[in-house]
Order: sequence, then C-alpha cells, then structure tokens
Amino acid sequence: GAGVSQSPSNKVTEKGKDVELRCDPISGHTALYWYRQSLGQGLEFLIYFQGNSAPDKSGLPSDRFSAERTGGSVSTLTIQRTQQEDSAVYLCASQGGGTLEQYFGPGTRLTVT
Amino acid sequence: AQSVTQLGSHVSVSEGALVLLRCNYSSSVPPYLFWYVQYPNQGLQLLLKYTSAATLVKGINGFEAEFKKSETSFHLTKPSAHMSDAAEYFCAVSAFNQAGTALIFGKGTTLSVSS
Repeated sequence: GAGVSQSPSNKVTEKGKDVELRCDPISGHTALYWYRQSLGQGLEFLIYFQGNSAPDKSGLPSDRFSAERTGGSVSTLTIQRTQQEDSAVYLCASQGGGTLEQYFGPGTRLTVT
Repeated sequence: AQSVTQLGSHVSVSEGALVLLRCNYSSSVPPYLFWYVQYPNQGLQLLLKYTSAATLVKGINGFEAEFKKSETSFHLTKPSAHMSDAAEYFCAVSAFNQAGTALIFGKGTTLSVSS
C-alpha cells in the first residue's frame, strides 16, 4: 500500500479482555516500531522489529504486552487482561531503504472501560 | 541516554506571525533530530530531520529548524503562520548508536493559529 495502515482505528473493550492491534507497514520496509501515545506519558516506544525479530522489547510496559511480526510484514500487538491504564493511541511506524525516516500509521485508539 | 524537552505545551500565534517552537535535547552521542506534526485523529508526519549535514534544515510546508550544538537546541520556525498549521508538533531524537532507531519524543507543543 501507499502508507502504513493500522486496524482497527478504534477499539473499545472491557477491563480484563484481550485485544489485538494490527499494523501493515509500507511494502519492503524491514524495520517496524510500535509506540504508545497517552495523555499522561506522551509518546513512548514499545518495541522494535527488524524483519521478524524483535531485538528491542525494552519499552513493553508489562508481560501482558506482546507483539509478533510474520513474513517480515504484518505485525500484531497483543494486550492481555487489559487494564484502564492501557487506554491510549497505539501507533505503528515502519522504516526502510537505509533512511532514518519512520513513517507512521494513523493509530488505533484503545479505550478500556 | 537521550532526552528531549519541548518548552511550552501550547503556543498561540496570529495568522501571518512568526512561529517558533522550542526543542532542547540531551544526547550522549551525536544526535539525529526530527520534527513531526500531528493533525487531529491522524498519525505523525515528518516535517524535517537533522542528520549531521547542514545545520539549517528546511522541511515541508515552509518550516525550518536550526541545529545549535552549543545550545543543544533544535528549534522549529516558520516565518508566517497559516491557519492550516494548527496542530501538535513533536520534537524527537534518535538513539542511532543502538540497534534500531527508536525515537524518543518530547511531550509535544500544540500550535493554535488565530485569524
């Protein structure tokens, strides 16, 4: 596609439920990042993928958060047993072609009730 | 370690006035610096980047930023504000010496433009 896409655009879930957020990066981009944007914390790095490997998971806030990437393309961020503090906009970015630019998707707004 | 401080969470200007959004960074290695803009309910769009070439960087929509090592600053400017510039602006630094280039963002500055 022309840009990074994310789905769903909005997700409302009940506390304790699991959610999956999807990111489709720009075709051919080998690097993929997840960030979280919340009112209290601003923009925070969560995890970085190079191909299907995640050499940097340092930003994942707890073991309820996990992510995978398959085929060097689509990535899924999973949050188990959601809590209200997980409410935020989750942004995905991809990077490739030897450049530093990260191209961001529109984000998924997660609301935990 | 890297960090970014954006001075002023909210800046208001009149249409046609100078825009100045302030960003100071801290980095233990030569930094790579970025400005992103976010319009309501949209993702982040890259305005410009500094990657150790020219210290005055020109970006899209008439914005530019100057890297000043002595002041550890990378302020964003635009000579004449337009109503369409109203958005949230983020300064970011890249920890390029590490695997991957995860961006470290400032808290953001909301720019309001009045007619």
